[in-house]
Amino acid sequence: SQQGEEDPQALSIQEGENATMNCSYKTSINNLQWYRQNSGRGLVHLILIRSNEREKHSGRLRVTLDTSKKSSSLLITASRAADTASYFCATDPSGNEKLTFGTGTRLTIIP
Amino acid sequence: DAGVIQSPRHEVTEMGQEVTLRCKPISGHNSLFWYRQTMMRGLELLIYFNNNVPIDDSGMPEDRFSAKMPNASFSTLKIQPSEPRDSAVYFCASSLLDVSGNTIYFGEGSWLTVV
Repeated sequence: SQQGEEDPQALSIQEGENATMNCSYKTSINNLQWYRQNSGRGLVHLILIRSNEREKHSGRLRVTLDTSKKSSSLLITASRAADTASYFCATDPSGNEKLTFGTGTRLTIIP
Repeated sequence: DAGVIQSPRHEVTEMGQEVTLRCKPISGHNSLFWYRQTMMRGLELLIYFNNNVPIDDSGMPEDRFSAKMPNASFSTLKIQPSEPRDSAVYFCASSLLDVSGNTIYFGEGSWLTVV
């Protein structure tokens, strides 16, 4: 079963704009992670945020976590064509490595 | 490091045939995962191993599926007999659980088509 649900399912924006994707989950978590998947490729880890953190940055990525609302957001600033991919959130409810992935947001950056 | 290596990258097989997918995890990682990805069901965890021992196989769809990890550097996922509904991308992934968390590293996937 899907633990996380991303929103929106698909997003198209102009290059240079910011892209925001949201993830909601159902159970308490140890940490939440975001992954990117380019077409025809495997998933690549982007960032991990722990349950006791509220915000984390990595380059053009900004992740927030609201455990009271069981939600997270991924912001990509100054988007580039190379950011075109599907983005997944993944949760680890028990800290035992069993990651459960959401349904993904398909992001298209229009040059 | 070469990353997680999967083979074959693509396989087309006839219904009823046995399919064996192979995986070499990243050296030093102590956990290995098999995921299946389809348009309808998304990314599903089939089974995962820790230190070569199967920990959770609750995601394995049925008895036609089996997975082994005879040593720390090799794992197989076998489907016998295969059915058209098994068509999917099968990902192997590995990780090293440590104080920094459990970042999972994925292979490029094995694209299976059963006709």
